[in-house]
Amino acid sequence: GAVVSQHPSRVICKSGTSVKIECRSLDFQATTMFWYRQFPKQSLMLMATSNEGSKATYEQGVEKDKFLINHASLTLSTLTVTSAHPEDSSFYICSALATSGRSSYNEQFFGPGTRLTVL
Amino acid sequence: DAKTTQPPSMDCAEGRAANLPCNHSTISGNEYVYWYRQIHSQGPQYIIHGLKNNETNEMASLIITEDRKSSTLILPHATLRDTAVYYCIVAISSGSARQLTFGSGTQLTVLP
Repeated sequence: GAVVSQHPSRVICKSGTSVKIECRSLDFQATTMFWYRQFPKQSLMLMATSNEGSKATYEQGVEKDKFLINHASLTLSTLTVTSAHPEDSSFYICSALATSGRSSYNEQFFGPGTRLTVL
Repeated sequence: DAKTTQPPSMDCAEGRAANLPCNHSTISGNEYVYWYRQIHSQGPQYIIHGLKNNETNEMASLIITEDRKSSTLILPHATLRDTAVYYCIVAISSGSARQLTFGSGTQLTVLP
């Protein structure tokens, strides 16, 4: 299957600093990527949809000025958590949409996630 | 997207078949049934999907009822590595860049 990577896998930062998380599709191009957040013992919650070359679409309740998304190429999307606070500590997961060569459906491939801890 | 209902948890003996049910009574005609799983502290992994016919791949089988209001994911010979949260998701596909909406899922625990 297609591979999606995230970097870093784990980050610890001080309150007030900014953290950038990268999401890369390694062997396919993805015009659309998604960013999710997952708190302990909870399900994944969609934060935003990232489209290459255009502005991201944010879900209700997600601050676009706090969670900056850039999708400058067909294989890279970045999420920057600005002025991070302890309540931003979470597991951030990206996914990339790929069109399978064997059928017409769009399949979503997920990255391994990034654990953010804000002290 | 149609809402899905899954049992919060299930146990299965190692080597036996694990049958995970999912109700999606409000599914629309153009919505697919997807199954993903998430092993602790990892990203979700695609398992299988289907529209109305039963599907099988190297990981699992998907049985969809004729009225499409429910489905069952079958892991034929569960191993300890299959312990994970399994998510049943209903979504439109085929060219639509539609995001997936994750519910609570079923925590499957495979017991030795």
